Amino acid sequence: DQQVKQNSPSLSVQEGRISILNCDYTNSMFDYFLWYKKYPAEGPTFLISISSIKDKNEDGRFTVFLNKSAKHLSLHIVPSQPGDSAVYFCAASVFSSNTGKLIFGQGTTLQVKP
Amino acid sequence: GAVVSQHPSRVICKSGTSVKIECRSLDFQATTMFWYRQFPKKSLMLMATSNEGSKATYEQGVEKDKFLINHASLTLSTLTVTSAHPEDSSFYICSARPAVQSYNEQFFGPGTRLTVL
Repeated sequence: DQQVKQNSPSLSVQEGRISILNCDYTNSMFDYFLWYKKYPAEGPTFLISISSIKDKNEDGRFTVFLNKSAKHLSLHIVPSQPGDSAVYFCAASVFSSNTGKLIFGQGTTLQVKP
Repeated sequence: GAVVSQHPSRVICKSGTSVKIECRSLDFQATTMFWYRQFPKKSLMLMATSNEGSKATYEQGVEKDKFLINHASLTLSTLTVTSAHPEDSSFYICSARPAVQSYNEQFFGPGTRLTVL
């Protein structure tokens, strides 16, 4: 049972344009969501997060949107840069459980073309 | 800040041997560390949660006798793959959750590539 799904395995965008990565979840108990960036043979790097009490969080070029009713979140990167090329994972947790457990999606490989 | 290291970064071993992987939080204390496994082009699969001073909590389907976890201090957790077999070959990643934090952020190590011949 995949509780967190990233249905697009890959995305290719032109440098300078917007990249939109999507993530869907099924567990309504999830109340905290994170995006991680990962290069091959490296551990994930935290990018941005959002609590379920918000519907948007912005940090520089990165913005995460949360639609609780649709159980959907997205990561917007604008403008996209070639260095953004990596695998992006969304993750969800039940913050109130205090276990710290994260459930990851399958990842989306982003390629930003110069 | 928030640096997590793993050692070794890469290990090749013969079938039947045991391999120990260390995970250290270098500049913060972590009451909880997590061990993940990633297969090629797949998601990170949580294997177990390691709490300092207590037994690890394993996810369903993960053999606790095969994947021994010890969280000896607030900065060190180890994963030992016992009697390794080729199917254990994978990329193992640890993460650490700071003892003092506001949200469920975890900081990940660089991973360990295990190849069992």
